[in-house]
Amino acid sequence: QVQLVQSGAEVKKPGASVKVSCKASGYTFTSYYMHWVRQAPGQGLEWMGLSNPTDDSTIYAQNFQGRLTMTSDTSTSTVSMELSGLRSEDTAVYFCARELMAACYFDNWGQGTLVTVSS
Amino acid sequence: QSALTQPRSVSGSPGQSVTISCTGTSSDVGDYNYVSWYQEQPGKAPKLIIYDVNKRPSGVPDRFSGSRSGNTASLTISGLQAEDEADYYCCSRAGGPYVFGTGTKVTVL
Repeated sequence: QVQLVQSGAEVKKPGASVKVSCKASGYTFTSYYMHWVRQAPGQGLEWMGLSNPTDDSTIYAQNFQGRLTMTSDTSTSTVSMELSGLRSEDTAVYFCARELMAACYFDNWGQGTLVTVSS
Repeated sequence: QSALTQPRSVSGSPGQSVTISCTGTSSDVGDYNYVSWYQEQPGKAPKLIIYDVNKRPSGVPDRFSGSRSGNTASLTISGLQAEDEADYYCCSRAGGPYVFGTGTKVTVL
């Protein structure tokens, strides 16, 4: 069955970077986009960006331009998200989610990774 | 891209219907047939319940329905049940990027 398994929780200091990975299995990795969505404590969902594993192209939300890097590794079916210049407001659960049709159609999600930014 | 606007909360008694609105602009909700809705329960990842404005994935009960008028999409839950108590989010394409709604908490009285 389809599984998206994310790396474990992280605690980082302000100004540092964090890298979260999402390993896919149970489907053809290059047939789906992979998105990252975050949710701060008590807040709503925020779309961060997407990666196309076929050609490693990316689209980032304007709010994260310059701080966000997404990469794909087809040899391990893994997508990674690196966020730099962390601040306390980046404390959130980060989800990966796959999408087939470029239509806000996220049919499978990772379990979420809590990133805590604290001095 | 600004978040799509949803009411903070709606409530209803079991068996009643509730409708959640999702207001965007002519650059997102009003421009694409790609509006979806997600149900999020505490401690779980969001679950897709409506896509392409009004289509239901396999396994989603038909008491969930979607529609759109102009720049506003809507999710209606008919015959409200206790297990429908959750947070609901709309999502739309906005050109290359995507945007979520602000979220609505549905309470079953």
